[in-house]
Amino acid sequence: GDSVTQMEGPVTLSEEAFLTINCTYTATGYPSLFWYVQYPGEGLQLLLKATKADDKGSNKGFEATYRKETTSFHLEKGSVQVSDSAVYFCALSSAGSARQLTFGSGTQLTVLP
Amino acid sequence: GAGVSQSPSNKVTEKGKDVELRCDPISGHTALYWYRQSLGQGLEFLIYFQGNSAPDKSGLPSDRFSAERTGGSVSTLTIQRTQQEDSAVYLCASSLRGTGQGGNEQFFGPGTRLTVL
Repeated sequence: GDSVTQMEGPVTLSEEAFLTINCTYTATGYPSLFWYVQYPGEGLQLLLKATKADDKGSNKGFEATYRKETTSFHLEKGSVQVSDSAVYFCALSSAGSARQLTFGSGTQLTVLP
Repeated sequence: GAGVSQSPSNKVTEKGKDVELRCDPISGHTALYWYRQSLGQGLEFLIYFQGNSAPDKSGLPSDRFSAERTGGSVSTLTIQRTQQEDSAVYLCASSLRGTGQGGNEQFFGPGTRLTVL
């Protein structure tokens, strides 16, 4: 079945540091890939997405590239801010079968001033 | 515009009691999903509704769990004879379309935190 493996947290960085959160997946067919973010006390929000190989999703300075050859969708940001502190979830939607999202375990990011 | 809303925001119940959780999706969204977020299991899919089609119940953990969606809009998730392991945050999401629509964004509600004592 479909699965998402996400870098374990928590991750603690200083402001303006470079961020990478690794995400790899297993799925049938050609899934769509997503990063969702959950800020403290808030609901899940879509951060970015990519629907086919080599697509790059980007939003709020975050980027992730759909790499079919390595089945990966790593999240990156060049310079994190304190306001980026949140839990980040990698997810996929497999077009071949299920309609629901399959999520990774989540990575807690804390950015210190 | 209004997002996905869920009620109640918090629910504390005693073991063995039944609970109902409500979700109001975004108007016009034909697809509705229920997920559960718990410490030990992460985010798990529970059930999916698409228009008037039969729901996909493949994620429901036991027959104590059921859900319905009336008039293609509001949905209710019912847990009968609650157990302590049912304690979790129950999330509802809706999307404009469902099946076959790759990359279709799901919009999540704030969740209902269920605590079973």
